Amino acid sequence: AQKITQTQPGMFVQEKEAVTLDCTYDTSDPSYGLFWYKQPSSGEMIFLIYQGSYDQQNATEGRYSLNFQKARKSANLVISASQLGDSAMYFCAMRGSIGSQGNLIFGKGTKLSVKP
Amino acid sequence: DTGVSQDPRHKITKRGQNVTFRCDPISEHNRLYWYRQTLGQGPEFLTYFQNEAQLEKSRLLSDRFSAERPKGSFSTLEIQRTEQGDSAMYLCASSLSSGEISSEQYFGPGTRLTVT
Repeated sequence: AQKITQTQPGMFVQEKEAVTLDCTYDTSDPSYGLFWYKQPSSGEMIFLIYQGSYDQQNATEGRYSLNFQKARKSANLVISASQLGDSAMYFCAMRGSIGSQGNLIFGKGTKLSVKP
Repeated sequence: DTGVSQDPRHKITKRGQNVTFRCDPISEHNRLYWYRQTLGQGPEFLTYFQNEAQLEKSRLLSDRFSAERPKGSFSTLEIQRTEQGDSAMYLCASSLSSGEISSEQYFGPGTRLTVT
């Protein structure tokens, strides 16, 4: 079975500093994808970044980067130069290649609070 | 492109009543997903359509739940004889059926259901 684990219920970061949100996963699929979503208090899930299991390089999207360590089965999100608007829930998710039909498996999330 | 929309945004109902939610996906997307998110948890997969065909249902989708996607456009999710445990945010997402693991799902703002 596929599983996503996010062990940090809440994190605080000072504005303009970098923060790392942890994510570990478990799957037996040979090929899979890892996603990070942001969920502000308004409720909508906003896609941030994607990492494929066979990608040679870590994904980056603007201030977001993904620290992908395949052997450790971890896919941590790094947010550089935090902004007040980054305060939100952050979810790590996975999609496998076998049997899932494309649905995402989510972790429980990490609540990030950016302090001015 | 107006994104994924959901209606209503909020619904309060008494236990035992039936409720119906609507999701309008991005127009060219042929895959549509329903997820449920309870407080403090990540979204959990409920069901998935490709065009008008319902291809997968989670064990979370009890007999009281039914979903349709007539003509492969909008979708409805109906809950019959609501229970307090049905209180949650119901999220809809859509994507292109590219067959790629990286295919991004675009989420709507959700419908928050409260059963009293």
